[in-house]
Amino acid sequence: EIVLTQSPGTLSLSPGERGTLSCRASQSVNSNSLAWYQQKPGQAPRLLMYGTSRRATGIPDRFSGSGSGTDFTLTISRLEPEDFAVYYCQQFGSSLTFGGGTKVEI
Amino acid sequence: EVQLVESGGGLVQPGGSLRLSCAASGFTFGDYDMHWVRQVTGKGLEWVSAIGTLGDTYYPDSVKGRFTISRENATNSLFLQMNSLTAGDTAVYYCVRGNFDVPVSPLSNWFDPWGQGTLVTVSS
Repeated sequence: EIVLTQSPGTLSLSPGERGTLSCRASQSVNSNSLAWYQQKPGQAPRLLMYGTSRRATGIPDRFSGSGSGTDFTLTISRLEPEDFAVYYCQQFGSSLTFGGGTKVEI
Repeated sequence: EVQLVESGGGLVQPGGSLRLSCAASGFTFGDYDMHWVRQVTGKGLEWVSAIGTLGDTYYPDSVKGRFTISRENATNSLFLQMNSLTAGDTAVYYCVRGNFDVPVSPLSNWFDPWGQGTLVTVSS
């Protein structure tokens, strides 16, 4: 099973700042097989990115994804108030596993 | 609008059983793999089952032999039969649609959309 480790656990930033979230895999992941989700309190997760760098429908372009092999990154170029949430990465190339999440807080 | 609505959650005693349902609408249900994903309150996400368009099923070791996923395309419904429940199964259970570029396997899906979730509490 591929284990995904997200860092940092919590990211404290201010609106307008840049956020960089990391997702590291225990084995190499096909870059087509990595997704990111956003979850706000009391809500279900929402798809942000898939195939590492492809934005889901309706996701603003301040969100971008990159990476390959075992290291992947979600970048939020300028944080908006509504971006403060928990973010999860997921790999779907070998079974289906999630990272532990990164909380982006003010 | 694509929508997934779960039902059937509740309080059950350890060792008991529960059947979750998910009503899908807004898309051709039979064309998609479907999944259940759970989340312990305040914790991360765990995939718990998948069913392909042909009825093929997949489970992680943590629930294999206890949980059974099924689907009824005629009524756009997804189910999860959960047996031999333990406190460790206490979580919010989400019904999720699987997506793919090329239909290989439900284990090659990303998830979109998600239902609102149904809470399962296993306690005496």
